[in-house]
Amino acid sequence: NAGVMQNPRHLVRRRGQEARLRCSPMKGHSHVYWYRQLPEEGLKFMVYLQKENIIDESGMPKERFSAEFPKEGPSILRIQQVVRGDSAAYFCASSPPGRVTYNEQFFGPGTRLTVL
Amino acid sequence: GENVEQHPSTLSVQEGDSAVIKCTYSDSASNYFPWYKQELGKRPQLIIDIRSNVGEKKDQRIAVTLNKTAKHFSLHITETQPEDSAVYFCAASTYSGGGADGLTFGKGTHLIIQP
Repeated sequence: NAGVMQNPRHLVRRRGQEARLRCSPMKGHSHVYWYRQLPEEGLKFMVYLQKENIIDESGMPKERFSAEFPKEGPSILRIQQVVRGDSAAYFCASSPPGRVTYNEQFFGPGTRLTVL
Repeated sequence: GENVEQHPSTLSVQEGDSAVIKCTYSDSASNYFPWYKQELGKRPQLIIDIRSNVGEKKDQRIAVTLNKTAKHFSLHITETQPEDSAVYFCAASTYSGGGADGLTFGKGTHLIIQP
């Protein structure tokens, strides 16, 4: 059973470009969470999605950031017009459907975004 | 929203000694408290968790305690080994059956095991 997959592992963008980060949850998991980790800091929740639905985006910046989890395919975190302050590690986590277990979240390897 | 405080930020212990990391949370509705270990450049890995209906849970050398009244929970590692060196994060969230909130993390504790 493959774990949570993220790609690319490293992404370099120039200011003003778009960044697309992909996350494939563990098999059987239908809940996806995105977190951002700045250097030497903890992880900050950004958004929680279930298939085709955004459940909670309270941690997402209001502008330039968007997320989706389509019926088919991976979850995508999109950052438009990147700025240097967007440089961070972006982690995706997945958990199984409700009533199977509590909120055990399993993390992917992360995408390290560098904005030049 | 939830706020999680974690102490200490750095903890250095002799190999074989015990290590204790403490966290407090603010939202009394939180009912799930996991601990993650993160090695440099790697993903956070779930090492133990506790739900609000129990006060203590143990898994080999690792134990977690929860005091709901005081809103604090702690990680205890006994007989520390060099491979325990890492950054440890506590977190809190609310689970309600259909799904769960995103985790609110503490700022992390850098645990250093001295040989």
